[in-house]
Amino acid sequence: GAVVSQHPSRVICKSGTSVKIECRSLDFQATTMFWYRQFPKQSLMLMATSNEGSKATYEQGVEKDKFLINHASLTLSTLTVTSAHPEDSSFYICSARGLAGMNEQFFGPGTRLTVL
Amino acid sequence: KNQVEQSPQSLIILEGKNCTLQCNYTVSPFSNLRWYKQDTGRGPVSLTIMTFSENTKSNGRYTATLDADTKQSSLHITASQLSDSASYICVAEPSTTSGTYKYIFGTGTRLKVLA
Repeated sequence: GAVVSQHPSRVICKSGTSVKIECRSLDFQATTMFWYRQFPKQSLMLMATSNEGSKATYEQGVEKDKFLINHASLTLSTLTVTSAHPEDSSFYICSARGLAGMNEQFFGPGTRLTVL
Repeated sequence: KNQVEQSPQSLIILEGKNCTLQCNYTVSPFSNLRWYKQDTGRGPVSLTIMTFSENTKSNGRYTATLDADTKQSSLHITASQLSDSASYICVAEPSTTSGTYKYIFGTGTRLKVLA
């Protein structure tokens, strides 16, 4: 149980285009989802926290207009990187936390974004 | 400031040997201490979770310890295997009434097991 999927697993795009990454909780309802980015040989850095049906809360230094987060249902959150640039190339990981009693974040497998 | 530090930064051992990874945290108030394994290009996978009142937790060949007084934790890997090659991340979760449930991540220890 408690499986989180991400799609796509890898994406390569041209500079200036937008890319959407999906995060799904497959067997539980996720009231809260988290989006992280990870640079090589570094740990995960929290970008934003989203609760179903409300606006995401972004960490300091993360541009909300550049990284659009939508958490429209209890099983799906999306991260859209708008007008991507090479410096946005990174490993993006989502995690999901369920209803009260699920005292843990379950992580997705990650999405490797490469912007040319 | 809430912070988690891990050592060593990287470690190379021979297959079959044991190793211990260290984690120091300055997270207050403290709720849980977790260890994750992250394979290259994959998301983190939970190994152990301990509350402040627990001293040790095992998961197969992985044994985690926690000293809440000194704010230190360790992860001991017994009889290492090639598949243990990965990054091991220590994560402290602050106790919170605001419901944000944010994790404080360590920088990780990169373990390589050689045949």
